[in-house]
Amino acid sequence: SQTIHQWPATLVQPVGSPLSLECTVEGTSNPNLYWYRQAAGRGLQLLFYSVGIGQISSEVPQNLSASRPQDRQFILSSKKLLLSDSGFYLCAWSVLPGTEAFFGQGTRLTVV
Amino acid sequence: TQLLEQSPQFLSIQEGENLTVYCNSSSVFSSLQWYRQEPGEGPVLLVTVVTGGEVKKLKRLTFQFGDARKDSSLHITAAQPGDTGLYLCAGARGGGADGLTFGKGTHLIIQP
Repeated sequence: SQTIHQWPATLVQPVGSPLSLECTVEGTSNPNLYWYRQAAGRGLQLLFYSVGIGQISSEVPQNLSASRPQDRQFILSSKKLLLSDSGFYLCAWSVLPGTEAFFGQGTRLTVV
Repeated sequence: TQLLEQSPQFLSIQEGENLTVYCNSSSVFSSLQWYRQEPGEGPVLLVTVVTGGEVKKLKRLTFQFGDARKDSSLHITAAQPGDTGLYLCAGARGGGADGLTFGKGTHLIIQP
């Protein structure tokens, strides 16, 4: 069966510090991978998606970047965090674009 | 921009009551999904509806996709405290490799 792992679960970082969140999927090959951010009252916002190794599409210009160094690994990064980067970050995968998404447990990021 | 509007935003009812929540858009979606999310966790898929007018039942939950594939509803019969959570609808935008468009969700509380 397929599983998705996302870590860390919670993170408190100072403004201006770097960020690296990692997500890995097991039990499937060539998944479509996604990073979402969930802010209070704003729903899930798609940040990045990837259809293959090294292929990243950005939905919203921002202080974040994403990379996919391996087929089942998706990384969300920032060089310098802003207060506005605080939120609940969710990694997800799907078999095909726009089909059922399977989410990780999420990372609660607080920038102080 | 394709937006999904969910209503009500918050709903608190007593155990045993029935309820309906709605997901509306001015745009057509190739499919629509409903997820339930509990605090501190990622959303979990409940159902996918694809055909206009489609009705799907999951125990006490009934999902309907509008004939024009622009809206959907979720009806819960005899609500139980275990139904408490954030209910999210998400639409597939179709064409191209991208993610889902999510509504902001309905926060549902079932009081015992």
